[in-house]
Amino acid sequence: EAGVTQFPSHSVIEKGQTVTLRCDPISGHDNLYWYRRVMGKEIKFLLHFVKESKQDESGMPNNRFLAERTGGTYSTLKVQPAELEDSGVYFCASSQDRTSGGYTDTQYFGPGTRLTVL
Amino acid sequence: AQTVTQSQPEMSVQEAETVTLSCTYDTSESNYYLFWYKQPPSRQMILVIRQEAYKQQNATENRFSVNFQKAAKSFSLKISDSQLGDTAMYFCAFSLLTGGGNKLTFGTGTQLKVEL
Repeated sequence: EAGVTQFPSHSVIEKGQTVTLRCDPISGHDNLYWYRRVMGKEIKFLLHFVKESKQDESGMPNNRFLAERTGGTYSTLKVQPAELEDSGVYFCASSQDRTSGGYTDTQYFGPGTRLTVL
Repeated sequence: AQTVTQSQPEMSVQEAETVTLSCTYDTSESNYYLFWYKQPPSRQMILVIRQEAYKQQNATENRFSVNFQKAAKSFSLKISDSQLGDTAMYFCAFSLLTGGGNKLTFGTGTQLKVEL
């Protein structure tokens, strides 16, 4: 079974440019999450999809970030225009959705996309 | 809001020795999960071990075990018989116990180096 994949692995862009990150979750996983780790700091939650719907986007830093999940499959995270403080590693994770008994399924992480804004 | 604190940015241990990584958290909730994830160099983050807060018994996974102290809000990870492959960044994480998927709140991580 293929794991969570992310593309690109590394992106270097100039301030003001646009970048789109892609995440392909594990097949059949309804939950998809985006996280970000700024150098030396904790990994922070950005948003959570359940299928194609945004369940929680409380972690999105501002309206320069736009996330979509087409047809409940892969997801994209667009940053437009990019700023210096957007640099960091962007992680995607996915999990199955088992709500009975409040069971939380394991989140499987992708390798991350390292974004550098110059 | 929940917070997770890892007070040890870096640690080292000799191969075959035992090491304990500390984690404390703060929450007003009573039902939640706690996790330890590891991220080896240039590799994906993987789950090491998880603990449900309603369970009194400490979770174990082979050489990995936790010391969960709910009243103290402490969740330390013990690695026994350390191996070179255990070298990684270790993240402590928290999530609430609700249905429908749950976001993780992470600590800042502990870089563990296992030495010969």
